[in-house]
Amino acid sequence: QSALTQPASVSGSPGQSITISCTGTSSGVGGYNYVNYVSWYQQHPGKAPKLMIFDVSHRPSGLSNRFSGSKSGNTASLTISGLQAEDEADYYCSSYTSSSTVVFGGGTKLTVL
Amino acid sequence: QVQLQESGPGLVKPSQTLSLTCTVSGGSISSGGYYWSWIRQHPGKGLEWIGYIYYSGSTYYNPSLKSRVTISVDTSKTQFSLKLSSVTAADTAVYYCARAFGVVTNFDYWGQGTLVTVSS
Repeated sequence: QSALTQPASVSGSPGQSITISCTGTSSGVGGYNYVNYVSWYQQHPGKAPKLMIFDVSHRPSGLSNRFSGSKSGNTASLTISGLQAEDEADYYCSSYTSSSTVVFGGGTKLTVL
Repeated sequence: QVQLQESGPGLVKPSQTLSLTCTVSGGSISSGGYYWSWIRQHPGKGLEWIGYIYYSGSTYYNPSLKSRVTISVDTSKTQFSLKLSSVTAADTAVYYCARAFGVVTNFDYWGQGTLVTVSS
């Protein structure tokens, strides 16, 4: 099982932009064959996760375009622009591995100052 | 609107088998293109993928749990289930069922989650 590394925490002020990284090792994000298979989830306390980005950069229907995803090399990124108070949550990346399994990153706590 | 709901005991004794069911409404498990999954979250920790099943019955499990996990599907009841054997306190977690589309990592619908505590 490959590992996905995320920063433990990030912070930003309302209106600013922040980026959360997700770096892969071995297969998954860092693997050539699975370069397009990264998703991002937002989780508020006590709630189920919510899909924010799939296939690296695609947003589910109806999701704010303040959320965007990208990938460079073995690192995927989630960018939130125009930061709002309600964006304060935990964010997780996930990837598909060469063993047909799924791995999640350790999660990043976003604090809106 | 697809909805998923977990059900099962909230307390399981050590060494016993944890059994949970996920009931799907607003959609069909037997239609292709979706992967029906279980994910858990230890208290205050991150998400851990447990495994998934395709409507055909094909399954994939987290290698770290594979020896203890069984996921099955009952298409007639629009339910899929999780069994985790020989549980310990380390299996205490909130368990979520979820649906994935496209690539199995795209979980678009989730249950609300159910806390399972392993304790004597």
